[in-house]
Amino acid sequence: DAGVTQSPTHLIKTRGQHVTLRCSPISGHKSVSWYQQVLGQGPQFIFQYYEKEERGRGNFPDRFSARQFPNYSSELNVNALLLGDSALYLCASSFFLEGEYNEQFFGPGTRLTVL
Amino acid sequence: GDSVTQMEGPVTLSEEACLTINCTYTATGYPSLFWYVQYPGEGLQLLLKATKADDKGSNKGFEATYRKETTSFHLEKGSVQVSDSAVYFCALSMGSNYQLIWGAGTKLIIKP
Repeated sequence: DAGVTQSPTHLIKTRGQHVTLRCSPISGHKSVSWYQQVLGQGPQFIFQYYEKEERGRGNFPDRFSARQFPNYSSELNVNALLLGDSALYLCASSFFLEGEYNEQFFGPGTRLTVL
Repeated sequence: GDSVTQMEGPVTLSEEACLTINCTYTATGYPSLFWYVQYPGEGLQLLLKATKADDKGSNKGFEATYRKETTSFHLEKGSVQVSDSAVYFCALSMGSNYQLIWGAGTKLIIKP
């Protein structure tokens, strides 16, 4: 079975531009989360979506937005890119069973470089 | 707010040495605790977990015990192999569907 897939693998943008990152969850998983991992640091939570609704938001500016589609895939959008947005963007998918532990499965990430 | 602190790396050991990577946490409630591993060129993988105090998670020879009294979740292995070289992340979650909060990661280098 395919794991979590993300596209593109690498991306180079310039300051002020906009970027869209894409994620396809594992089949059967209805929840998708996005994390930003700056080099040398642990991931930072950006968003969680379940059934097309935002279920959680981390401490990121409004330049960051996301959405989830009926097939449970997701997009992360970042506007007005800054140099500090350069990072590995990780997508994770999971079931969403209330009251149970739901392991998050991570994709390989999209490496974004802002020049 | 909730946070995770883990020992800085890199940690360099010889093959068959004993490993301990320290992890402590700060949380307002009773989190679930995790160790994730990131092998070179690969994505993050769950290594082990513990969901309540005194639970011991184990996998691939690695162990970690949830210590509420010391707010710790140290990762241990009795005999490391070259193939264990990776970056190890300690993380916590305040619920079954809540965001993961991560430590900064510890790079482990095992020399033959």
